[in-house]
Amino acid sequence: DGGITQSPKYLFRKEGQNVTLSCEQNLNHDAMYWYRQDPGQGLRLIYYSQIVNDFQKGDIAEGYSVSREKKESFPLTVTSAQKNPTAFYLCASSPRDRGRRTEAFFGQGTRLTVV
Amino acid sequence: AQSVSQHNHHVILSEAASLELGCNYSYGGTVNLFWYVQYPGQHLQLLLKYFSGDPLVKGIKGFEAEFIKSKFSFNLRKPSVQWSDTAEYFCAVNDLRTGANNLFFGTGTRLTVIP
Repeated sequence: DGGITQSPKYLFRKEGQNVTLSCEQNLNHDAMYWYRQDPGQGLRLIYYSQIVNDFQKGDIAEGYSVSREKKESFPLTVTSAQKNPTAFYLCASSPRDRGRRTEAFFGQGTRLTVV
Repeated sequence: AQSVSQHNHHVILSEAASLELGCNYSYGGTVNLFWYVQYPGQHLQLLLKYFSGDPLVKGIKGFEAEFIKSKFSFNLRKPSVQWSDTAEYFCAVNDLRTGANNLFFGTGTRLTVIP
């Protein structure tokens, strides 16, 4: 089945540790995104990548880092610099379309809890 | 930056009642508009989308939305809700001024349908 796989579904880490969230897609999409979802705040964009080996900061990139070495993979590292890392993290992808008529497809999310 | 407002945070309806969820966005230029739904424990799914043309858009499961450019609105409607519509609903806007297909999300509306 084509889709976006995020792993793990639940993740627990101690404060001060870096943690990497996995996102893999087999939809052959060029663009990939990371969002953070907090209750009452909707989804906020952390980082996005339009093409391999290129990525851009979103609205709340501080304390996060990403890489895009392969088209199908876009891992997100939550560093110890992120002040409030406990959240639900969503990965998405979208195809490239010159007419900009594309929609985003989402993974099932990773719930990160930092204790 | 684009901002998206969803004024209803939590809506409670009885089955068969009609639904209208409000969505307003800030930028008045060319935009793509979306409604996503997140059922309990599931990933975000696309309900419907507007790119251009007929401002009344029909989506899955009997949902529809109307784009009113003069009001910067894209309200979601359903004539008769079912218990299975209980979910969180997100309005999203793709601001075509930017070079990317980044989506700006509203804060979401939680819908509870009482059998």
